[in-house]
Amino acid sequence: DAGVIQSPRHEVTEMGQEVTLRCKLISGHNSLFWYRQTMMRGLELLIYFNNNVPIDDSGMPEDRFSAKMPNASFSTLKIQPSEPRDSAVYFCASSFRQGGTGELFFGEGSRLTVL
Amino acid sequence: QQQVKQSPQSLIVQKGGISIINCAYENTAFDYFPWYQQFPGKGPALLIAIRPDVSEKKEGRFTISFNKSAKQFSLHIMDSQPGDSATYFCAASLSGNTPLVFGKGTRLSVIA
Repeated sequence: DAGVIQSPRHEVTEMGQEVTLRCKLISGHNSLFWYRQTMMRGLELLIYFNNNVPIDDSGMPEDRFSAKMPNASFSTLKIQPSEPRDSAVYFCASSFRQGGTGELFFGEGSRLTVL
Repeated sequence: QQQVKQSPQSLIVQKGGISIINCAYENTAFDYFPWYQQFPGKGPALLIAIRPDVSEKKEGRFTISFNKSAKQFSLHIMDSQPGDSATYFCAASLSGNTPLVFGKGTRLSVIA
């Protein structure tokens, strides 16, 4: 079974451009998490969904960030307009939650560089 | 605010030695404590996890020690190998549907 699939793996863009990161969940998983990883701040939770519904987006840094789950297996994270401080590795992770915590399965990440 | 504090930031260990990484948490309601391992260019992956009803859990060369009264837990890697070189994250959460809160990570290098 394929794991969590993220695209693109690398993105280099200029300040002010729109960036869209994509994530395909593991089949059967019902929770989706977007994390951002930087050297300074480690792994930060941006937003998470249960059963396609956004539960907590308090980690989204600004209104420039938005995330959607148009269906049960796919999610996008959009940054518009992008800024150099958004440069980071963005991970999505999925899990199956039925009661308990559930193991998180991470994708390989999307490395974003904003010039 | 940082709910899970991890130390050290980086660690160099000789092959065959013991690697020890420590974490402290603030929220006494946390009841699930996993460790994730991340290799360069990859996403983190679950290594081992513990719940507070036990003080220790061992899986192969990896052991979690848990001290509920001190609100601390640690990862011990026995007989460390160069293949263990990776970044290790501790995390904590509440049972149910709350997401994991991660420490900032420890970069482990095991040298021959």
